[in-house]
Amino acid sequence: GESVGLHLPTLSVQEGDNSIINCAYSNSASDYFIWYKQESGKGPQFIIDIRSNMDKRQGQRVTVLLNKTVKHLSLQIAATQPGDSAVYFCAENVRGYQKVTFGTGTKLQVIP
Amino acid sequence: DAGVIQSPRHEVTEMGQEVTLRCKPISGHDYLFWYRQTMMRGLELLIYFNNNVPIDDSGMPEDRFSAKMPNASFSTLKIQPSEPRDSAVYFCASRGGPGQETQYFGPGTRLLVL
Repeated sequence: GESVGLHLPTLSVQEGDNSIINCAYSNSASDYFIWYKQESGKGPQFIIDIRSNMDKRQGQRVTVLLNKTVKHLSLQIAATQPGDSAVYFCAENVRGYQKVTFGTGTKLQVIP
Repeated sequence: DAGVIQSPRHEVTEMGQEVTLRCKPISGHDYLFWYRQTMMRGLELLIYFNNNVPIDDSGMPEDRFSAKMPNASFSTLKIQPSEPRDSAVYFCASRGGPGQETQYFGPGTRLLVL
């Protein structure tokens, strides 16, 4: 029979432009959020995190925004480069609980 | 630090055979997690350990799967007998203690069961 895999949303961005990857999280009790990057053939790699007492956090070329009202998380990548091409996962965690819930991921394609 | 180390990186086996996946967490980390990633189901948590003790194995698919952590620097995930539907990439991740929620992943073991 035909197998049906997860449909990964894909974002195509021109090299040098800014990328915005969005994530809707499910648990209103979540208070810690992480973005991971997974390149082909590799494990998820930590990019940036944010706690629920913040609404914005910046790293090197990346910014995470948190909107707890609508349970929305976004990852902004400035001046996107070919090396940014990967699948990006958001993850949420409730303090005191060890399990992290991962989203299904967004595939970022950078067009040279 | 070398990061989380997994072996083998690739494994091809025949249905019915026993498969053992290995993981060395980051030194000093208290928690170790085993995940499975497939196109169908994404990233799934199978089991996690705290200080070498299994805490939650509710994600283990069935009795064919077992995991052990005999010491702080080594864990195994065993599948016996293996089936084609077990084909996936298996990741090990570790993290530190309270207040250090970030999990760090290994490179994964790509398992193909024929």
